[in-house]
Amino acid sequence: IAGITQAPTSQILAAGRRMTLRCTQDMRHNAMYWYRQDLGLGLRLIHYSNTAGTTGKGEVPDGYSVSRANTDDFPLTLASAVPSQTSVYFCASSAPGRGYTFGSGTRLTVV
Amino acid sequence: QQQVKQSPQSLIVQKGGISIINCAYENTAFDYFPWYQQFPGKGPALLIAIRPDVSEKKEGRFTISFNKSAKQFSLHIMDSQPGDSATYFCAASGAGAGSYQLTFGKGTKLSVIP
Repeated sequence: IAGITQAPTSQILAAGRRMTLRCTQDMRHNAMYWYRQDLGLGLRLIHYSNTAGTTGKGEVPDGYSVSRANTDDFPLTLASAVPSQTSVYFCASSAPGRGYTFGSGTRLTVV
Repeated sequence: QQQVKQSPQSLIVQKGGISIINCAYENTAFDYFPWYQQFPGKGPALLIAIRPDVSEKKEGRFTISFNKSAKQFSLHIMDSQPGDSATYFCAASGAGAGSYQLTFGKGTKLSVIP
């Protein structure tokens, strides 16, 4: 089934630990995005990539990094997790001028 | 600043009633206006979208109304059902606005009560 696969679905992480959230798409979309969703704050863009080999910062990039080595994969790394990074993380992809396809999300709790 | 303002934050509607969610945007270069529906524990999913060359688009019980001069668009859910209970996000983007990135509203939590 075409779409976006995110892993893990949920994770409890000790503060200070490093964590990579995985995102893979099979639609050959050029653009990919990472959002965090927090109650009352909607969807906030962390990082994006318009095409393989390029990345850009979104609204809330601090504490996060991304890479885009190929079209299909767009991992998000928390170098040293803090409790304020507790959130639900969504990966998405899109073709030019079209809507986004979202993954099912990763629920991350930093303790 | 590219903003999309969405209201209300939450909405309770009786089964069979009409649910109306409103959005306003600032950037006149926006030319694509989608609505997303999100159920608890799931990712947002594209529900319906409109481009500014039409004032209304209808898909089943869901209708987008678009007012270009007022820079506003709204989602109407006719004959609302308990299964429509979800969070709805409006969004906007446009190549003329610099990228195809969507700017999202903050969401409306809809509860349809029997």
